[in-house]
Amino acid sequence: QLVLTQSPSASASLGASVKLTCTLSSGHSSYAIAWHQQRPEKGPRYLMNLNNEGSHSKGDGIPDRFSGSSSGAERYLTISSLQSEDEADYYCQTWSTGIRVFGGGTKLTVL
Amino acid sequence: EVQLVESGGGLVQPGGSLRLSCAASGFTFSSYEMNWVRQAPGKGLEWVSYISSGGSAIYYADSVKGRFTISRDNAKNSLYLQMNSLRAEDTAVYYCAREGIVGASTFDYWGQGTLVTVSS
Repeated sequence: QLVLTQSPSASASLGASVKLTCTLSSGHSSYAIAWHQQRPEKGPRYLMNLNNEGSHSKGDGIPDRFSGSSSGAERYLTISSLQSEDEADYYCQTWSTGIRVFGGGTKLTVL
Repeated sequence: EVQLVESGGGLVQPGGSLRLSCAASGFTFSSYEMNWVRQAPGKGLEWVSYISSGGSAIYYADSVKGRFTISRDNAKNSLYLQMNSLRAEDTAVYYCAREGIVGASTFDYWGQGTLVTVSS
């Protein structure tokens, strides 16, 4: 079964960097994923698409502070030079024929 | 500018029906696959349904299969979700989302959502 696992919460200080993790279920380590950001009381926003080699393509207007990387079944979203506006929920998402799957989301707090 | 605007949400009793609409603009709607995604209060995102650009391929999450019907009218640049036999657990904000990344079934643009509340 295709499942994505995310830690429920993360925190980091203003101006620092943070690395969020999304883990693909067993047997699915080659899958690409996407990262989406959802600020409080807003709709989701596409950040980037990330493949198993760490190659990523970002959405329109996404700052260079956002980057993606991969290792095995893990997919990462790194946000550098954290700003207050980065405080949000971050969801990873993947797909297979006939199905789209979201991780449970990580709530990022900027201290 | 790509815009997706949902409408049709509201309060409905358990067992009732509701039809959501999503008006698309700023792109050639007929060329893109579309989806509905929902978010229950205080919960994460849940994919609901997919429709191909021409409407020939349709998929549903198990939680809504047999109760919800996705459709589109490319002449009207509109996406729809007919929701029947509604349950309390269908209470959520419903988003329409475009699949626009070549080679990836992910959502590059989202609407702002419409709230559906199922309650007596």
